[in-house]
Amino acid sequence: DSGVTQTPKHLITATGQRVTLRCSPRSGDLSVYWYQQSLDQGLQFLIHYYNGEERAKGNILERFSAQQFPDLHSELNLSSLELGDSALYFCASSVGKGEQFFGPGTRLTVL
Amino acid sequence: QQPVQSPQAVILREGEDAVINCSSSKALYSVHWYRQKHGEAPVFLMILLKGGEQKGHEKISASFNEKKQQSSLYLTASQLSYSGTYFCGTEGGSGGGADGLTFGKGTHLIIQP
Repeated sequence: DSGVTQTPKHLITATGQRVTLRCSPRSGDLSVYWYQQSLDQGLQFLIHYYNGEERAKGNILERFSAQQFPDLHSELNLSSLELGDSALYFCASSVGKGEQFFGPGTRLTVL
Repeated sequence: QQPVQSPQAVILREGEDAVINCSSSKALYSVHWYRQKHGEAPVFLMILLKGGEQKGHEKISASFNEKKQQSSLYLTASQLSYSGTYFCGTEGGSGGGADGLTFGKGTHLIIQP
């Protein structure tokens, strides 16, 4: 158990819908990273928040957005969902730099 | 740019050793190694930083050649629990943890009894 929690564990929805994934970092960690893992694209970095502020963007689509709240939990919002958005979404937390600890992930299925 | 891992897959007998390589075409600040079992989260194994600092599990060893932008993960006396997919994740630039990790495609390791 990494100490990072993610909800929900599974999410099944239809194309065109909007969903929100939630992540709570390890106690004391200020950084939250979001990653997407799919069979064809592998494990890809989406976005990084540090202490409430966006620090870096990776391969994140414009339909996707994220935020980090004052209690340091983070949410990833995915809208206008397409079949290709089906994937495992992980968040990872770290103190600031160094090792990142991954949560159990949310498996999103878009039908 | 995505680091290149080799081999893509390896099958070992319990007790045998393995080396997994990770190579990047860009200057690296750090290399991170993870193991992932099917349907589970990647589990942190090791971080190697520019300048020689390393942090990780006692039973895992790795190297980082800064000049060649290459890292290798050494698994000795493999156990059945070592099975899984191993990923290297790289961080370029001056580090600092701002950018997320760029992961390789993974190396599938199967340990047979």
